[in-house]
Formats: sequence, structure tokens, C-alpha cells
Amino acid sequence: EVQLVQSGAEVKKPGESLKISCKGSGYSFTSYWIGWVRQMPGKGLECMGIIYPGDSDTIYSPSFQGQVTISADKSTSTAYLQWSSLKASDTAMYYCARGVSRGICDYWGQGTLITVSS
Amino acid sequence: DIQMTQSPSSLSASVGDRVTITCQASQDIRKYLNWYQQKPGKAPKLLIYDASNLETGVPSRFSGSGSGTDFTFTINSLQPEDIATYYCQQYDNLPYTFGQGTKLEIK
Repeated sequence: EVQLVQSGAEVKKPGESLKISCKGSGYSFTSYWIGWVRQMPGKGLECMGIIYPGDSDTIYSPSFQGQVTISADKSTSTAYLQWSSLKASDTAMYYCARGVSRGICDYWGQGTLITVSS
Repeated sequence: DIQMTQSPSSLSASVGDRVTITCQASQDIRKYLNWYQQKPGKAPKLLIYDASNLETGVPSRFSGSGSGTDFTFTINSLQPEDIATYYCQQYDNLPYTFGQGTKLEIK
């Protein structure tokens, strides 16, 4: 069974750093893209970027380039999304999803809620 | 970025109704259009990929059509469990972009 399991909710202060994770199982982790999607409170879905764990090829959406870092560890079948300095506007639910043909998100993680508040 | 415009933004329908949502792309995206369902507090779920292909396990009352810039998503015979927000998403060009969503309620 394909599963993507994300790390738990976080409450952070502005300026703090954070790295959240997405662990894949039940499939060949290195053979599919993993995408990260942001959903701000009460809003729609935004693609942040995608990574191919097989060779770490990473593509960022322009809006998120330089704001976050996407990475993956083949040895643990885990993808990561990290911030070096959080802002209040980073408060959102973050989902990872497996990408078939890069852009078809067929399996999703359960989401990680990030709250940034002073 | 390619802009995806969904309509309507919300709609109310009765159980058994046929429901149609449209999605228009700001440029030609060929067939590279997916539809997702998101229930409150849950992750999105893939329903339709490549404009008209039903994802495995998804009930046949869901369907999609279209190509180029204009796409349609249909629910035949609306069921109570279909209450959700529906999103289209293009993946012809990076960055992949979603429509703003259509919130479906039961009348």
C-alpha cells in the first residue's frame, strides 16, 4: 500500500527555522516525483515545488524560489521541506504528494500544520 | 504562470442532481488537466487525470472532458458524500497551478 506519512504539527516563532518531513512507503521512492503543496487558512492549493528523489532534481515554483528548500534522502525514503527564517505568513497546512508523470498527484500525505506566531 | 479559472466558486445542489464545474486555462494546456476533491480537514484526492481519465477506485458518477483551454467536470447523480471543494490543476507547464476551487454544498 502506497503511503506518505508527514511529520507532526509545529508551532514556531517568526525568524525560527523548521524542517518538516514526508516519508514514503509501499512503492519505489526514487522512481516518482514528490511535490509540496501549500494551503493557507481557508484558501486554495498552491504548488511550491517538486523533487525527483532518484537524482534530487528539484524545481521550484517562482513564488517559493528562495523562500524554502526542498530535499530528499533516498536512504530513508523521506522528502523534506525547510525554512531558514519563518514568517507569520508561512502559517498554513503543507501537503506532500507523489507525482506520476511529474504533475499528477495520486497519493497525498495527511498534511502538516505550521503555525508561526509571536 | 498559467492561470486556471474555475466556475462557479460555489454551488448548491440536491441529491441526485447532475453537477457541472468548468475550468478555463489562460493558455493551451492540451490534455494536462487533473481534478481533485478535498473534504474538510482532509488532504485532496485525485479523481480525474489527463482531463478525462477516471482514477482507479473513483465512482463512475464522476467524469471529465475537454482539451486545450476549456474543461468540464461532472458529477452524475450527486450523493451526500460528494460534499467537498473541487479543484482543477494544470501540469502542462511549470509551475503547476490550481484553480481557486468550487465549494459544493447540498441544497
